[in-house]
Amino acid sequence: DIQMTQSPSSLSAFVGDSVTITCRASQDISNFLAWFQQKPGRAPKSLIYSASTLQDGVSSKFSGSGSGTDFTLTISSLQTEDVATYYCQQYTSYPLTFGGGTKVEIK
Amino acid sequence: EVELVESGGGLVQPAGSLRLSCAASGLRFNNFVMSWVRQAPGKGLEWISAISGGGGGIDYADSVKGRFTISRDNSENTLYLQMNSLTAEDTAVYFCAKESWARDLDVWGKGTTVTVSS
Repeated sequence: DIQMTQSPSSLSAFVGDSVTITCRASQDISNFLAWFQQKPGRAPKSLIYSASTLQDGVSSKFSGSGSGTDFTLTISSLQTEDVATYYCQQYTSYPLTFGGGTKVEIK
Repeated sequence: EVELVESGGGLVQPAGSLRLSCAASGLRFNNFVMSWVRQAPGKGLEWISAISGGGGGIDYADSVKGRFTISRDNSENTLYLQMNSLTAEDTAVYFCAKESWARDLDVWGKGTTVTVSS
C-alpha cells in the first residue's frame, strides 16, 4: 500500500497569511494526487485533483503543486472560512490512501 | 447537479450486520466508479471499498475484506454496502463518493453514522 505522510499535523496562522501543507507519498504516484477540505461535521470537499488542477468553483486562493512523491497545497490570504482540516489522497492505485490530515486554525 | 445521499446507519450490536445505501442523482450512474470512505470519531479518512460502473470490478481495504460487500443497482441508481461481523472499530461516519473521469473522488455524500456498541 502507498503511504501518504502530511506535515504539519496542525498549524496556526494570522488572517491574511499564506500557508503551505506538504504531502509525501511512499512511492512515485505521478500526479494522481487530490486535496480535500473538511470542516467539522461536514463531508470532505474536493479542492484539487491531478496535483494542481482546481475543481470547478473552488477559489483560486488554493493552489497545488508537485509530482512523483512530493506535493504541496498552498492557501493564500488565509481567512476564517478556511479553518478546516485538509487531507491529501493518492489515487494511482487501490487501496486509495489518505494523509493523516492538517488542521488549520487562525491565531 | 450530482447528489449522493447515504442512509441506513444506526446503532448495532457487536457481531451484528447493517446495510448502507447511497442514492445517486444528477448523473449517468452506471458510467462511474463509486467508493465508500469512512471516518472514525476524531480520526482521518479511510477508503474501504470501490466498485466499477458495471459492477464487475471490486476492491476492498484489508480492514473490511471478508466482512463487507459492496454492490450497486444501476437500474435504481443506488450503491450499497453490506456490513457483517461488525466490531467497535467499525464505528464511523460512512461516506459514499463518486470517482470522476480523472479518477479522483470529486463528489461526496453527507455521510451516515454507524455506531457499534452493546
